[in-house]
Amino acid sequence: SQKIEQNSEALNIQEGKTATLTCNYTNYSPAYLQWYRQDPGRGPVFLLLIRENEKEKRKERLKVTFDTTLKQSLFHITASQPADSATYLCALVTSSASKIIFGSGTRLSIRP
Amino acid sequence: GAVVSQHPSRVICKSGTSVKIECRSLDFQATTMFWYRQFPKQSLMLMATSNEGSKATYEQGVEKDKFLINHASLTLSTLTVTSAHPEDSSFYICSGEDGTNQPQHFGDGTRLSIL
Repeated sequence: SQKIEQNSEALNIQEGKTATLTCNYTNYSPAYLQWYRQDPGRGPVFLLLIRENEKEKRKERLKVTFDTTLKQSLFHITASQPADSATYLCALVTSSASKIIFGSGTRLSIRP
Repeated sequence: GAVVSQHPSRVICKSGTSVKIECRSLDFQATTMFWYRQFPKQSLMLMATSNEGSKATYEQGVEKDKFLINHASLTLSTLTVTSAHPEDSSFYICSGEDGTNQPQHFGDGTRLSIL
């Protein structure tokens, strides 16, 4: 069956450390993969997109990797801050459809 | 960046009431709009996809007669939950895309509570 999994429901780390979130998928052929941030009671906010032929993307303190062999994407936040505390969603878009399939999210908490 | 406005942000109503939620793209033309539902601590589940001027395409298991979607213009889509019941209580989120392969832009959601 097709699945997209974020294997940590919650992650707590110390301010200043690097947060690493994992997204794995099975039985999909994504054209690209996206990461979103969602705060409580709000809609998702787009952060980064990485295509199937790209290995890594960076934006300020954010970095995303995409390994189509492992069927995995990693999302890193360096020099984490309490303001980075939120739920982070990975989502993939297959080459055959334009709709997004979301993972269940990882709730990240950065403690001062 | 592109903005999607969703209204109302919160609705509390009695069982049997019909509720309409509006989704507007404020600074772009949304050729396609999507409606999602999100239960607590779960992910967004796509309910339906609508293209301007056409009938919506519903995902498996979503009743089209219960969740009426209208996408009459490039800037407005509405979702009407007809004869809502407590099990319809959820967080409903819309998004729009402009057809240029840019990421979808999401509204801030509507918290629907049916008593």
